[in-house]
Amino acid sequence: QQQVKQSPQSLIVQKGGISIINCAYENTAFDYFPWYQQFPGKGPALLIAIRPDVSEKKEGRFTISFNKSAKQFSLHIMDSQPGDSATYFCAASGDGASNYQLIWGAGTKLIIKP
Amino acid sequence: GAGVSQSPSNKVTEKGKDVELRCDPISGHTALYWYRQSLGQGLEFLIYFQGNSAPDKSGLPSDRFSAERTGGSVSTLTIQRTQQEDSAVYLCASSQSWASQNEQFFGPGTRLTVL
Repeated sequence: QQQVKQSPQSLIVQKGGISIINCAYENTAFDYFPWYQQFPGKGPALLIAIRPDVSEKKEGRFTISFNKSAKQFSLHIMDSQPGDSATYFCAASGDGASNYQLIWGAGTKLIIKP
Repeated sequence: GAGVSQSPSNKVTEKGKDVELRCDPISGHTALYWYRQSLGQGLEFLIYFQGNSAPDKSGLPSDRFSAERTGGSVSTLTIQRTQQEDSAVYLCASSQSWASQNEQFFGPGTRLTVL
């Protein structure tokens, strides 16, 4: 019940296309859903995050869509660029006594082809 | 300002040796995390420090792993009698306080290779 399942494991998108990465969770106590971006040789960095009181959050070309009833959330990258090539991790938290911990998805390696 | 720093950036060691990995968190951040990331994998939680509270060691994979945080700042992760399966990137992160909804700032990691 603590897992966050992320798909796909890898994704190749043409430049200018839309990249979509999906995550699903089981624990209904989760109330914070961030996405982190990791470039090779670097640590992950927070990209965008959402709380379940909204169904969508947009920051530039990056959008999180959140479906509370389905317990799913996704990252959409519009007009994908080669510089977006990175590994993306979804995460979730908010489960009571251990709510200092983020529960991480397994990651998606995104490649944007020029 | 300065971000999270880790040293060394790379460490190659022989099986059975002990290693120490260092993390300098962002000044003023009271929460500090250690994660392990195997090649092409996600982040595996190892240990969490918050201020002067007892650390959460629930993610440490064996008793060969230990960590300390001195003076609420610098942290050292120690792996004793290293094994080949310990080879991974070890990431440190810090955040302003205990709440998970505070952004975690990651260091660049230490790549550990056990021969």
